[in-house]
Amino acid sequence: DVKVTQSSRYLVKRTGEKVFLECVQDMDHENMFWYRQDPGLGLRLIYFSYDVKMKEKGDIPEGYSVSREKKERFSLILESASTNQTSMYLCASSLGQGITEAFFGQGTRLTVV
Amino acid sequence: GQQVMQIPQYQHVQEGEDFTTYCNSSTTLSNIQWYKQRPGGHPVFLIQLVKSGEVKKQKRLTFQFGEAKKNSSLHITATQTTDVGTYFCAGLNTGGFKTIFGAGTRLFVKA
Repeated sequence: DVKVTQSSRYLVKRTGEKVFLECVQDMDHENMFWYRQDPGLGLRLIYFSYDVKMKEKGDIPEGYSVSREKKERFSLILESASTNQTSMYLCASSLGQGITEAFFGQGTRLTVV
Repeated sequence: GQQVMQIPQYQHVQEGEDFTTYCNSSTTLSNIQWYKQRPGGHPVFLIQLVKSGEVKKQKRLTFQFGEAKKNSSLHITATQTTDVGTYFCAGLNTGGFKTIFGAGTRLFVKA
């Protein structure tokens, strides 16, 4: 079974802190994604990566950056956390090469106070 | 930019009733995927449709992809309490890597 693991299930951070959310997948997938999920808004794409060191902005990249130094790991960085970034963050991966079935991690519920 | 609209936002049904959720894209899609998220869980892949007019079935679930590849539907026959959750459609834009999710339809089933 594909496993996508996010480093934390729950996280509480203070406004202005730099926050790192880590995601690791164990199936050699090419594509990795970061989404945030808010009630009534579904899943909104923040950033995605289709190869090591490659990254593309999604629909809501402002206030976020990402890093993909190794194929299995995709990190989401909140440079200076703000209260409007309180949300559920979901990492996902897909094989690539036309295979788009996405496997999701369990999610990180981030609260910024 | 590309948008994927999904309706309804919520649906309450009595166990045994049917349920349908609809998905519409502003642009033509390469494929459409459907996911289910149980309360407190994460989205889990159900199915992918690729061909124009495609219809696929999984037990009580029927998935359709429109002829123009811009809309899709998921129909559940005779709902059960285990069907509770949020159903998301997700469309891949043509020629791209970007999959856009609809806002989801949350299904409540009363026993």
